[in-house]
Amino acid sequence: QQQVKQSPQSLIVQKGGISIINCAYENTAFDYFPWYQQFPGKGPALLIAIRPDVSEKKEGRFTISFNKSAKQFSLHIMDSQPGDSATYFCAASMVADRGSTLGRLYFGRGTQLTVWP
Amino acid sequence: DTEVTQTPKHLVMGMTNKKSLKCEQHMGHRAMYWYKQKAKKPPELMFVYSYEKLSINESVPSRFSPECPNSSLLNLHLHALQPEDSALYLCASRRPGTDPARALNTEAFFGQGTRLTVV
Repeated sequence: QQQVKQSPQSLIVQKGGISIINCAYENTAFDYFPWYQQFPGKGPALLIAIRPDVSEKKEGRFTISFNKSAKQFSLHIMDSQPGDSATYFCAASMVADRGSTLGRLYFGRGTQLTVWP
Repeated sequence: DTEVTQTPKHLVMGMTNKKSLKCEQHMGHRAMYWYKQKAKKPPELMFVYSYEKLSINESVPSRFSPECPNSSLLNLHLHALQPEDSALYLCASRRPGTDPARALNTEAFFGQGTRLTVV
């Protein structure tokens, strides 16, 4: 069972455009939502993360929007650049000390972003 | 230093070989993870170590044997692997704590992975 659902599977955007990737979850125990960027042959790199007490977080061209009531969160990449072409994974985890998950990350299926010059 | 170092970067092994993957971090993180990633798929959790003790084994076959010799090192010993075990093996670490509000909801750092090919 996929704990975090991510869409779209692939995304093509023109340089300078806005890339938007969406994720949804069911488990209300999740309370930490990171986004990872992965280039081919490399490990995932943390891009930006948000906690559910905040509705939006911005770091440079990257913004996470979080809707707790809808159990959805999204990544917006403003002024998309060819160097942003990569696979993006949303993820979720929960407070670990109270359970047995020990901070494991539940990943979405990933979105392959291509930014055309 | 926010680096998780994995060696080797690439490994080709036969089905009868024994090899080991190594992961090292010096961030003082006490939770360490092994993930397996197939092409165009998300990472899949294999093992979790918390304070050097194996805490989660996601029903991984015994041909994969993890080891955590100290708080900075994590190994994955491989023996009698199958071609379908070929994948990118990722190590990650995270800072646990006793305060539930700040427990493991901190950044998880991944290494660059070991690209394993079983022939």
